[in-house]
Amino acid sequence: GQNIDQPTEMTATEGAIVQINCTYQTSGFNGLFWYQQHAGEAPTFLSYNVLDGLEEKGRFSSFLSRSKGYSYLLLKELQMKDSASYLCAVRVISGYSTLTFGKGTMLLVSP
Amino acid sequence: DADVTQTPRNRITKTGKRIMLECSQTKGHDRMYWYRQDPGLGLRLIYYSFDVKDINKGEISDGYSVSRQAQAKFSLSLESAIPNQTALYFCATSDFGGGADGTPGEQFFGPGTRLTVL
Repeated sequence: GQNIDQPTEMTATEGAIVQINCTYQTSGFNGLFWYQQHAGEAPTFLSYNVLDGLEEKGRFSSFLSRSKGYSYLLLKELQMKDSASYLCAVRVISGYSTLTFGKGTMLLVSP
Repeated sequence: DADVTQTPRNRITKTGKRIMLECSQTKGHDRMYWYRQDPGLGLRLIYYSFDVKDINKGEISDGYSVSRQAQAKFSLSLESAIPNQTALYFCATSDFGGGADGTPGEQFFGPGTRLTVL
């Protein structure tokens, strides 16, 4: 199976930068996803990495190192609305390709 | 209009009852999934279907069954509900992804069904 680890909780201040890490152990790696989930709502797709390096999308960036089994999500210019849970998910090729999710990191942004 | 819808949004039932959660999508995706989410445990895959004639068990399928009635509809049933099936249930859909063209094939989630089994 896959093992995905990410911190349970993080806190940051409005306007700051925060980095949420995700480590994974798996075989047949075929991509890493980041989702944002506000309390009681559906997860929404943020970013996707399949090759090593940095992908930037506005205030959000995601990095992947396949050799280290490591990814991070970088959030810049934090806003109060960024308070949410951030889910790391790995796709593995094994017959069918499905996602395995980490338990999520709850980010609290304070004024 | 929502692309992925789930009914009901909230349901309270009693131990031993059979219930069905329904999911519909207008995204035209072949792939559909059912997850449950519990505090501290994250999202866990119950069943998935990659086309109308394809049904596969996920990580935690015991106590659940599914039906893929059409490309757009995927239902989850609890044959005899028990209290530890109390959870938030999400349906999701996706297109194919991870191929050489780099298409991610990200999953799109419905709004969720909050199920309580007393």
